[in-house]
Parts: sequence; structure tokens; C-alpha cells
Amino acid sequence: KAGVTQTPRYLIKTRGQQVTLSCSPISGHRSVSWYQQTPGQGLQFLFEYFSETQRNKGNFPGRFSGRQFSNSRSEMNVSTLELGDSALYLCASSPLGTGGAPTYEQYFGPGTRLTVT
Amino acid sequence: GNSVTQMEGPVTLSEEAFLTINCTYTATGYPSLFWYVQYPGEGLQLLLKATKADDKGSNKGFEATYRKETTSFHLEKGSVQVSDSAVYFCALLFSGGYNKLIFGAGTRLAVHP
Repeated sequence: KAGVTQTPRYLIKTRGQQVTLSCSPISGHRSVSWYQQTPGQGLQFLFEYFSETQRNKGNFPGRFSGRQFSNSRSEMNVSTLELGDSALYLCASSPLGTGGAPTYEQYFGPGTRLTVT
Repeated sequence: GNSVTQMEGPVTLSEEAFLTINCTYTATGYPSLFWYVQYPGEGLQLLLKATKADDKGSNKGFEATYRKETTSFHLEKGSVQVSDSAVYFCALLFSGGYNKLIFGAGTRLAVHP
């Protein structure tokens, strides 16, 4: 099976612009989570989607948003970019357990490195 | 709140040395605990996990035991290799926590031949 794929891998944007990042989960996985990784704040949870619904959201401003499509692919959007948004954005997908809910095992993609200048 | 504390790195070892990376957690309940590893330029890989007290997770020679009494989940390996050089993250997750992993700051390990 192919792993989690994220596009693009690298991105350079200017302050004030917006950006959309894409994540394709492992085939059959229906839960997708997003994390931001920075040297200063480490790894922080952004949000999780399951069956096109946001189930949980981290402590980030409303400029950060996401969505999930019926094929489980997910996108996250950051509007009005700030210098502090420069980070590695990681996506992870989870398989379904026997009860039909996502399991706790998360499989991460390689990330999208966003640089805001 | 819930949090994870890891020993600060970098940890520098010679090949075949014994490795311990300390991890303690603060949580209001009984979370599942994980160790993830991140190699340069890559995403995170799940290294091992433990879902309840006294469980021992193990993989690729790495081990960690879920100690509820000391709220710890220390990572150990008996003999490290140069290829183990990476950043190691301890993390916790609550069932019903909608797959929200809470990570420690990470510990960089450098193994020299």
C-alpha cells in the first residue's frame, strides 16, 4: 500500500497570502489529522477529520482551516499568512478499528515545508 | 492539563552503547503512550506503543514500559547503531480524544561509529 502523501513538499509564500496544502491518506483510512511542527513550539495538533467531519480542533486561530472530501483526501488552508506560520505541516491517517471508529495508530506523511517571507 | 516531558538532547553515544531517553507525562486519566521517530527530512514513524499500565512496547530492539506509578514511559535500547540517529518523540493520546496526539519536545540522538 502506498503511504500518506502530501503535496506540495515545499512551498514559499509571502506574508498576507493564503496557502492550501493537500493530504492523501493511506487507502482505506478515513481519519486524517494535521499537525504543525516548528523548532520553537514543537509538534502541535491542528485538527482531525473523519468521514468529512471535523472531530477535534487544536488551539490555532481561525486563519487555519481544513476540510475532508468523500474520498478521505484532506486539505488545510491558512489565510493571511504570517512569518510565524513557517513550519513543517504533517498529515497523518488512521485505519478503522473493529468498531468502525478510527484506531489510535497514526501513519504520518513526509510533510509540507512552508516558508513565509 | 495533559503534557509530555522528555529529556533534553542532544544525546550523543558511541555505537553499541546503551540508550535511555526519559519521558514522563501528566494526564488526568489513563492515556495510551507512544514513541515516534523522525529521520532527517522525513515524517514521523511509529516506533512502539503501550495502551495500559505495565504494558511493554517493543520494536527494532527498542523497548518502553508504561509505568503508571511514576507516570513514565522511558525508551531503551541495549545496543545502538549509527542508523538509529534521529529525533525521538514521546506522545500520549486519550481514547475518545479523537486522535489528538500530545507530543514531547523531542530528543535528538546522534550515534557515532
